Amino acid sequence: GAVVSQHPSWVICKSGTSVKIECRSLDFQATTMFWYRQFPKQSLMLMATSNEGSKATYEQGVEKDKFLINHASLTLSTLTVTSAHPEDSSFYICSARADRGGQPQHFGDGTRLSIL
Amino acid sequence: DAKTTQPTSMDCAEGRAANLPCNHSTISGNEYVYWYRQIHSQGPQYIIHGLKNNETNEMASLIITEDRKSSTLILPHATLRDTAVYYCIVRFAGNNRKLIWGLGTSLAVNP
Repeated sequence: GAVVSQHPSWVICKSGTSVKIECRSLDFQATTMFWYRQFPKQSLMLMATSNEGSKATYEQGVEKDKFLINHASLTLSTLTVTSAHPEDSSFYICSARADRGGQPQHFGDGTRLSIL
Repeated sequence: DAKTTQPTSMDCAEGRAANLPCNHSTISGNEYVYWYRQIHSQGPQYIIHGLKNNETNEMASLIITEDRKSSTLILPHATLRDTAVYYCIVRFAGNNRKLIWGLGTSLAVNP
């Protein structure tokens, strides 16, 4: 089946630093990638949608300058949390989707981000 | 995208079939039904999807009613590893169509 790799799986860093999370589709070309955030005991919240080679589309309330998304190739997207603060601590999950039509999204295993 | 309604929680005995219902009464003709599950502290796992016909794969079966207003995910022989939150989502086809996540059904498989 389709495999999406997300790295790192967890990270702890100091307030004010920037953190980059990578999302790779290993065995298919991802036309579209999605970035989600999930707080404890809550459902997934979509942050942004990105298509290869174009700017990401952010959901309402998500700061573009805070959460930088790059989708430079059909197999790699990155999310950079800039100048992270404790309130940015969360579980970040990416997904990738091949081609068009009714194809499902496939998810990475998530990145648990803790800002001290 | 259509809204879905699922029970908050369900229990199932290990080895028995788990039948998870989902109501999507406002579904339109072009919307697919997707099922995902999320085991604690992991990313969601795709299970199965369908448009009109019933579907089966190595993980589960998806039964969609004729009027498409509801569906049932069937795990034929539940194991302890099937304990997870199961999400039923309906979505139009299309590259940027996003998945709208509800709270899902928390399935507990008991020994």
